[in-house]
Amino acid sequence: GDSVTQMEGPVTLSEEAFLTINCTYTATGYPSLFWYVQYPGEGLQLLLKATKADDKGSNKGFEATYRKETTSFHLEKGSVQVSDSAVYFCALTNRWSGGSNYKLTFGKGTLLTVNP
Amino acid sequence: NAGVTQTPKFQVLKTGQSMTLQCAQDMNHEYMSWYRQDPGMGLRLIHYSVGAGITDQGEVPNGYNVSRSTTEDFPLRLLSAAPSQTSVYFCASRPRGDTNYGYTFGSGTRLTVV
Repeated sequence: GDSVTQMEGPVTLSEEAFLTINCTYTATGYPSLFWYVQYPGEGLQLLLKATKADDKGSNKGFEATYRKETTSFHLEKGSVQVSDSAVYFCALTNRWSGGSNYKLTFGKGTLLTVNP
Repeated sequence: NAGVTQTPKFQVLKTGQSMTLQCAQDMNHEYMSWYRQDPGMGLRLIHYSVGAGITDQGEVPNGYNVSRSTTEDFPLRLLSAAPSQTSVYFCASRPRGDTNYGYTFGSGTRLTVV
C-alpha cells in the first residue's frame, strides 16, 4: 500500500536559519502530495500541495517540489521564524490505489522548534 | 466562519463508558473522515464517508462506530472506551471528486480514558 516517510524530529533551528524537512513516498501511479502544519493546540492546516511531477507548491515562504524520479517532496524555507514552530506532516492521496482517493496517508510528523 | 466544528474539545472517560464525538461541516463537502493522532504514529484513518448514508472502515476501526444521516454531520461513537483509545481525534472534510483539494480539518477532540 501507499506510505510516506518523513524526517525524524525534533528539529531545532535558530531564527533565520534554512529549513529542510525530507519526505519520500511509496505509491503506485501519480499521487497528489501535501504538506500540512499543526500549530500547538490546533488542528491541521494545509500548507501547500503539488498534484503532478515537477510541480512546485509554495505558501508563506515554504516550498516543496514533486520529484517523481526520487519519489520525494521535501519541504524547504529559506529563513525560518519563531512563529514557524509547529509539527509538519507530509501526506498523499492517490486515486490510482484502486480508486481509493478519499484517504490521506500521512507521515509521522516532524516537530520544528525555532529559537529567537 | 465556514469550516469543520468538533465538540467537545476535551473529554475524560472511564473505561467501559460510551460517548459520541461530534463533527459538523458547513461547506457542503461530500467526503468526511475521522483520524486519530498518537505520538510517533502520525494520523491514522478510523472511518470515512463519501456521502450521506455511506460509510466505510479505515485502518483502525475497531471500537468505533459512525453514521452519516446528513451531509453536514459525521459523529464518531466509542462503544466501550478503553485506555488504548486515549488519543486526539480529528474530523476532516473535502469535496468529492477532487483529490487535489486538501482536506479541511477540525481543531480536534483530546480524549483521555482512565
